[in-house]
Amino acid sequence: DAKTTQPTSMDCAEGRAANLPCNHSTISGNEYVYWYRQIHSQGPQYIIHGLKNNETNEMASLIITEDRKSSTLILPHATLRDTAVYYCIVRAEFGGSNYKLTFGKGTLLTVNP
Amino acid sequence: DADVTQTPRNRITKTGKRIMLECSQTKGHDRMYWYRQDPGLGLRLIYYSFDVKDINKGEISDGYSVSRQAQAKFSLSLESAIPNQTALYFCATSDPGQGRETQYFGPGTRLLVL
Repeated sequence: DAKTTQPTSMDCAEGRAANLPCNHSTISGNEYVYWYRQIHSQGPQYIIHGLKNNETNEMASLIITEDRKSSTLILPHATLRDTAVYYCIVRAEFGGSNYKLTFGKGTLLTVNP
Repeated sequence: DADVTQTPRNRITKTGKRIMLECSQTKGHDRMYWYRQDPGLGLRLIYYSFDVKDINKGEISDGYSVSRQAQAKFSLSLESAIPNQTALYFCATSDPGQGRETQYFGPGTRLLVL
């Protein structure tokens, strides 16, 4: 699975959009971009995933660049409860090492009042 | 009710003791996983099971064993606990049937080995 690079930490004001970047320059054509988050010491929570098109769900939007070498997770109106570590994970959908998720160190997003 | 539950939520034990962590799920998923999380190291896979008859070692299985009693239950055992097994343990489930491998995690078990 391709490796990812994320900033260690970011701050965001409550009510503003939080834009979390992720670089995955070695991504392969069959690899998806997944985002999970972990609120302090709780189990990780799935947010969204995509292959090459932009995706949106009730939690967030995912913007993937045309060359797929980077992506941005957008929380449109961040709240204090969005304070968490956000993990960007790249993995193939089928085959290979699809039995596990490789969590890096992620980005600690702190939403400030 | 939570879809993935873990018991106990917290456990303190002594070196050399055998302990079992239990995981139950109501999602009807065939795949289940055990991870441990240490500060600064992310999550590491211990064991995984793709169905009741399938058990596989993950990247750090030494010192651990598992039992898949039923589709809904997956237990992790520490045969003889040691202090460096102090960690936060997570169980997870997934269902690739819909074409994606989204994993759903339990709330975690915090284990302290003295």
